[in-house]
Amino acid sequence: EAGVVQSPRYKIIEKKQPVAFWCNPISGHNTLYWYLQNLGQGPELLIRYENEEAVDDSQLPKDRFSAERLKGVDSTLKIQPAELGDSAVYLCASSLPRAGVGTGELFFGEGSRLTVL
Amino acid sequence: DAKTTQPTSMDCAEGRAANLPCNHSTISGNEYVYWYRQIHSQGPQYIIHGLKNNETNEMASLIITEDRKSSTLILPHATLRDTAVYYCIVRVALSRYGGSQGNLIFGKGTKLSVKP
Repeated sequence: EAGVVQSPRYKIIEKKQPVAFWCNPISGHNTLYWYLQNLGQGPELLIRYENEEAVDDSQLPKDRFSAERLKGVDSTLKIQPAELGDSAVYLCASSLPRAGVGTGELFFGEGSRLTVL
Repeated sequence: DAKTTQPTSMDCAEGRAANLPCNHSTISGNEYVYWYRQIHSQGPQYIIHGLKNNETNEMASLIITEDRKSSTLILPHATLRDTAVYYCIVRVALSRYGGSQGNLIFGKGTKLSVKP
């Protein structure tokens, strides 16, 4: 079974340019997450989708960041315009919440490493 | 802020057991303890989770104290490939009665170095 697929793997842009990241979750996983990870830090949640609905976007900097998950499958995360401080790894994860006790393991992609010059 | 406290780093000899501690003194009754690890340049990987009973799977064992204020992840025979950052996370899990699942909030984790 294919895991979470992200692209591009690496992206280098100049500041003020736009950038977009794409995520294809594991088939059938209706919950999708975008995390940001700075060097030496743990991942930080940006947004969480349940199907096509963003159920938690409280940590998404909405002035420059946007995300969408049309049809409740693939998702894109966009930054416009990018700033130097946006250099980080952007991780996508998906899960299949099941009613029960202690479920909802997250499966992560390998991430998209962004460098803003 | 993360609800857990972990040592910044630990070393372990190859073939020996690695015991990674985690404090979660403010854990709530409906929160589970989850462990993930992140190998360099990869996304985090689920290891194990538990509520109050000790748990074991093919990767590790999880020991939770009776008062649930701390736990220990045990890798019984560490290998060089176990070198990674290990994250201890407390999280509200789905209830069979409904409600929403808590988000996975990461701290800085423990960098485990397994040495030959």
